[in-house]
Amino acid sequence: GENVEQHPSTLSVQEGDSAVIKCTYSDSASNYFPWYKQELGKRPQLIIDIRSNVGEKKDQRIAVTLNKTAKHFSLHITETQPEDSAVYFCAAIWSNNDMRFGAGTRLTVKP
Amino acid sequence: KAGVTQTPRYLIKTRGQQVTLSCSPISGHRSVSWYQQTPGQGLQFLFEYFSETQRNKGNFPGRFSGRQFSNSRSEMNVSTLELGDSALYLCASRSGLFNTGELFFGEGSRLTVL
Repeated sequence: GENVEQHPSTLSVQEGDSAVIKCTYSDSASNYFPWYKQELGKRPQLIIDIRSNVGEKKDQRIAVTLNKTAKHFSLHITETQPEDSAVYFCAAIWSNNDMRFGAGTRLTVKP
Repeated sequence: KAGVTQTPRYLIKTRGQQVTLSCSPISGHRSVSWYQQTPGQGLQFLFEYFSETQRNKGNFPGRFSGRQFSNSRSEMNVSTLELGDSALYLCASRSGLFNTGELFFGEGSRLTVL
């Protein structure tokens, strides 16, 4: 079946620490993996994405890694700040255009 | 460029009724997808429309349906409402030419079923 599992469901870190969120997917044909951030009461917004021909991508304090063999990808946030507090969703786009999101991770960054 | 617009923003219905939600995508975007968001369940994919055709469908019962018009605006309909249908319904648009690319979400329609 087609499924994206996301862990952990909640994550609390101290300001300045790193945060890592992991997702696994079931369809080896999946070729695109975006991450969305949803702040409280707001709409989800894309923060970073990676395609299946790339192993890692960075954008300032945010990075995503992809392991196609193991079918998992991770979001890494370094030097966390209170404004990073939000719900983060991973997603995997299957080759047939099917879109599947993980259940979300609620990240809390304590000042 | 105007963002994705969803109407109505809030609505209350009773069990057994039906509801229609509307989504106007970003100008030029031909793909509109719909999601149900509930606490703990994340974003559940309902369906995607591209150029007036349903391109993909998630695992929801037939009570959930949608359509897309020639101007790319989309509607979703839920018939015979159940209490469990209470949720935030988000739509998202993208250019749709490829299966990748950023999804631009609307603010959602919050449905409460009593």
